[in-house]
Amino acid sequence: GNSVTQMEGPVTLSEEAFLTINCTYTATGYPSLFWYVQYPGEGLQLLLKATKADDKGSNKGFEATYRKETTSFHLEKGSVQVSDSAVYFCALSANNAGNMLTFGGGTRLMVKP
Amino acid sequence: NAGVTQTPKFQVLKTGQSMTLQCAQDMNHNSMYWYRQDPGMGLRLIYYSASEGTTDKGEVPNGYNVSRLNKREFSLRLESAAPSQTSVYFCASNRQEGSYNEQFFGPGTRLTVL
Repeated sequence: GNSVTQMEGPVTLSEEAFLTINCTYTATGYPSLFWYVQYPGEGLQLLLKATKADDKGSNKGFEATYRKETTSFHLEKGSVQVSDSAVYFCALSANNAGNMLTFGGGTRLMVKP
Repeated sequence: NAGVTQTPKFQVLKTGQSMTLQCAQDMNHNSMYWYRQDPGMGLRLIYYSASEGTTDKGEVPNGYNVSRLNKREFSLRLESAAPSQTSVYFCASNRQEGSYNEQFFGPGTRLTVL
């Protein structure tokens, strides 16, 4: 079956530090890959996505590249802000009929001023 | 445009009680989903509805039932709540345009079963 593994948190960084959150996946075929963000007390919001190998998704300074050879989709940001503190979820959709998502366990990011 | 709305926001039940979680979307999406979120486990799919009039089991359907009342509304029912169903429940709907897919999530319902 499909699965997503992401690094456990919490990840604690100082403002303006470089961020990497690792994500690897197992899936049949060619899934679409996503990063969702959940701010405290809210639902999930799509942060970025990539639909095929070597695609780079980017949004709000975050980016992730679909690496089929390493089955990875690591999230990066060059300079984090306090407002980036949230829980980040990596997910995949195996292009099934129901467009269902398989999520990783989530990584909590805490950015200190 | 309210997006995906859920009621209630919080609920406390005793073991064996029943309740229905309500979800509605105003984006005219065909597909809707119910997930539960537990610490360290991400979101797991309970049930989904690919279109009005159809429902299918997800990864963790036991102890739940759903109703796709119309295109807008998708409810989740716990007939006899158990402490293992203490969780945060999220409803979502899917926007599909050609090969583009994006799920939109509601704010969640935090359920505690004593």
